[in-house]
Amino acid sequence: KAGVTQTPRYLIKTRGQQVTLSCSPISGHRSVSWYQQTPGQGLQFLFEYFSETQRNKGNFPGRFSGRQFSNSRSEMNVSTLELGDSALYLCASSLWGSSTNEKLFFGSGTQLSVL
Amino acid sequence: AQKITQTQPGMFVQEKEAVTLDCTYDTSDPSYGLFWYKQPSSGEMIFLIYQGSYDQQNATEGRYSLNFQKARKSANLVISASQLGDSAMYFCAMRGDSGGYQKVTFGIGTKLQVIP
Repeated sequence: KAGVTQTPRYLIKTRGQQVTLSCSPISGHRSVSWYQQTPGQGLQFLFEYFSETQRNKGNFPGRFSGRQFSNSRSEMNVSTLELGDSALYLCASSLWGSSTNEKLFFGSGTQLSVL
Repeated sequence: AQKITQTQPGMFVQEKEAVTLDCTYDTSDPSYGLFWYKQPSSGEMIFLIYQGSYDQQNATEGRYSLNFQKARKSANLVISASQLGDSAMYFCAMRGDSGGYQKVTFGIGTKLQVIP
């Protein structure tokens, strides 16, 4: 069974640009979550999607958005990039995202650098 | 609101020794799950161990065990017989059960370095 796939692996952008990151969950998983990881901050929750609907959202500005397609693949978009958006963006999938014992399966992440 | 606290930014351990990584949590959810993940320098998060809030026994997975003290709201990870490959970041996480949907909250992590 293929794992969670994130593309691209690395991305370099300049301030003001926008970026789209992609995530393909494990086959059969319907919940996809996105996290931003920066040194010293741990993983900050961005949002979670289930059946093409955003079910939960973290405390990030509206420049961060996402969507999920009918095949559970998900994209996140960051518009008007700022230097502080430089981070590792991790995508994680789980079966339903509705049980306390459901573990998350992570992709390798997209390392975004904003210059 | 959920909160995970990891107070050890960095830890050193001698190879073959045991090490304990601390994690405390705070939640008002009646039911929750606690997780530990390992993140090597490659970046991918690897699931290590899970403990349910109603589990009576501490979870164990090979060399990993979780010292769960519910009254103290702590869920410390114990790694026995450390190996060089254990050098990584370790994250404690919690999944709650309130409001019909959940998110997983992570601590800021502990960087473990195993010394030969």
